Amino acid sequence: EAGVTQFPSHSVIEKGQTVTLRCDPISGHDNLYWYRRVMGKEIKFLLHFVKESKQDESGMPNNRFLAERTGGTYSTLKVQPAELEDSGVYFCASSRANDDEQFFGPGTRLTVL
Amino acid sequence: KQEVTQIPAALSVPEGENLVLNCSFTDSAIYNLQWFRQDPGKGLTSLLLIQSSQREQTSGRLNASLDKSSGRSTLYIAASQPGDSATYLCAVRPGTYKYIFGTGTRLKVLA
Repeated sequence: EAGVTQFPSHSVIEKGQTVTLRCDPISGHDNLYWYRRVMGKEIKFLLHFVKESKQDESGMPNNRFLAERTGGTYSTLKVQPAELEDSGVYFCASSRANDDEQFFGPGTRLTVL
Repeated sequence: KQEVTQIPAALSVPEGENLVLNCSFTDSAIYNLQWFRQDPGKGLTSLLLIQSSQREQTSGRLNASLDKSSGRSTLYIAASQPGDSATYLCAVRPGTYKYIFGTGTRLKVLA
């Protein structure tokens, strides 16, 4: 069974540009989560999808971040326009049920210059 | 508001030593607690998951304990090896879905 995959593994962009991160969950996992770790801080929850619906987006930092999960399969997280403080590692996780163990992807390292 | 603290932030030990990593959390109303390992440039690997009704879990050289009433968990690593070098993260789930992570302990085991 393939694990959670994320693309790209690294992204370097200039301030003001747009970046889209993608996450492919484990097949059959209805629950998909985004987390991020900014420099020197702990990993923090961003949002939670159940299938294509957003269950909780309380961790989204501001309206420059837009997450989608059309069709309830893969998810994208778009940052537009990117700011310096958005630099960090963005993790995606998935689980079959919302109280099941979450399996994490390798993360996307985003650097905003 | 749930907060998770890990001590120490970094640890360097000689190979073969037994060691303890500490995790504390402020709200004892948790669903479960999980220990993860993160290698540089890699994702999070789950090590041990302790449900709120459990006191400990063991896997090989690893043992994790949970004391909900005092808001503490420890990860015990026996006979440490250089391959154990990584960042160890503690995370609690206050409800049924999102994790709240600590800042981690960076472990280096010297050969």
